[in-house]
Amino acid sequence: DQQVKQNSPSLSVQEGRISILNCDYTNSMFDYFLWYKKYPAEGPTFLISISSIKDKNEDGRFTVFLNKSAKHLSLHIVPSQPGDSAVYFCAASAGEYGNKLVFGAGTILRVKS
Amino acid sequence: DADVTQTPRNRITKTGKRIMLECSQTKGHDRMYWYRQDPGLGLRLIYYSFDVKDINKGEISDGYSVSRQAQAKFSLSLESAIPNQTALYFCATSSGRWETQYFGPGTRLLVL
Repeated sequence: DQQVKQNSPSLSVQEGRISILNCDYTNSMFDYFLWYKKYPAEGPTFLISISSIKDKNEDGRFTVFLNKSAKHLSLHIVPSQPGDSAVYFCAASAGEYGNKLVFGAGTILRVKS
Repeated sequence: DADVTQTPRNRITKTGKRIMLECSQTKGHDRMYWYRQDPGLGLRLIYYSFDVKDINKGEISDGYSVSRQAQAKFSLSLESAIPNQTALYFCATSSGRWETQYFGPGTRLLVL
């Protein structure tokens, strides 16, 4: 049973438009959520995070929204750029487990120019 | 120079062979992790270590063992490789609970 789910395997967006990547989780103990980006032949790199005491965190073009009641978070990229084309992983951790991360399966984002 | 390095980057081995994947970091972090990535499953935690004397099993530790030789080194061994251990393996480090994990470039392993 996957505790973190990214139900869209891929997403294609036009350059300059908004990209919205979604993530759902089932474990109500998760209190810290992260997004990682991965390019081919490289390891994942941290993008943005949010703790459960917030419902929004913004960093430049990237914003993460957390809806605890729905157990749902989303990553918004505005405006999308071709260099944003990558695999995006949602991850979560629960306080009692230190920072053991549970990852979703990933969403492939393609930004078309 | 990369902060987290993994060797080898690619490895082909045969069923039943013992292999070791190595990870080194220059970030000075205490916490180190081994993950594997499979298509459609994301990254899954194999083992983690919060300091040199601390080793813990992750979600999928069966068939694997680890050694934390020093703060900077964390190796993963497959005692007797099997084909379903074919995957992309990542090492990661972090400095604490709320700190981000930094990943190495990965080792692509094929078990024939």
